[in-house]
Amino acid sequence: DTGVSQDPRHKITKRGQNVTFRCDPISEHNRLYWYRQTLGQGPEFLTYFQNEAQLEKSRLLSDRFSAERPKGSFSTLEIQRTEQGDSAMYLCASSLTGPDTQYFGPGTRLTVL
Amino acid sequence: AQSVTQLGSHVSVSEGALVLLRCNYSSSVPPYLFWYVQYPNQGLQLLLKYTSAATLVKGINGFEAEFKKSETSFHLTKPSAHMSDAAEYFCAVSVSFQGAQKLVFGQGTRLTINP
Repeated sequence: DTGVSQDPRHKITKRGQNVTFRCDPISEHNRLYWYRQTLGQGPEFLTYFQNEAQLEKSRLLSDRFSAERPKGSFSTLEIQRTEQGDSAMYLCASSLTGPDTQYFGPGTRLTVL
Repeated sequence: AQSVTQLGSHVSVSEGALVLLRCNYSSSVPPYLFWYVQYPNQGLQLLLKYTSAATLVKGINGFEAEFKKSETSFHLTKPSAHMSDAAEYFCAVSVSFQGAQKLVFGQGTRLTINP
């Protein structure tokens, strides 16, 4: 069992650039979640996929953010026209159906200069 | 709405001393509650979870937590702290939606272990 993986681990970009992050969930997990964690805070929910369907989006997810899970396996999170306020750790988690434990990846730390 | 409050953003104990990290929850339905640990620059690792079975839940690394409905609490304890326990700890409650469960986290408690 390889766990949840995320790529890249760190990303530094300039304001206004687009960035894309990737998450590979545990292979048999059909549920995938994205969270954002800013310094000194707990993670906050962004969005959720069941298989390839995006079923829930937080109000935190502005129209500059888009997430996909095209074949119900890996997922991507894209941020367009990045702003300094987007600097955070972006965490991905996956789980099986039911009230199952969410397993988190190591996160992608984004720094917007 | 479901929420959690962690009392104390920073807790410091001596090695070998009792660890007590406090978490109070707010939920209109029987909650599922979790404690996660986060080491620097890493993701979150599950310590333990409460899913309406036994009120005393044992987790990894010697941690345990007791669900007390009357106090709406789910405090995390460990009898004897080890240097390797130094990390950030998050309490979370799961919120049901669209047949899934999203986690609502507290702000975290940073645990420091003094030699």
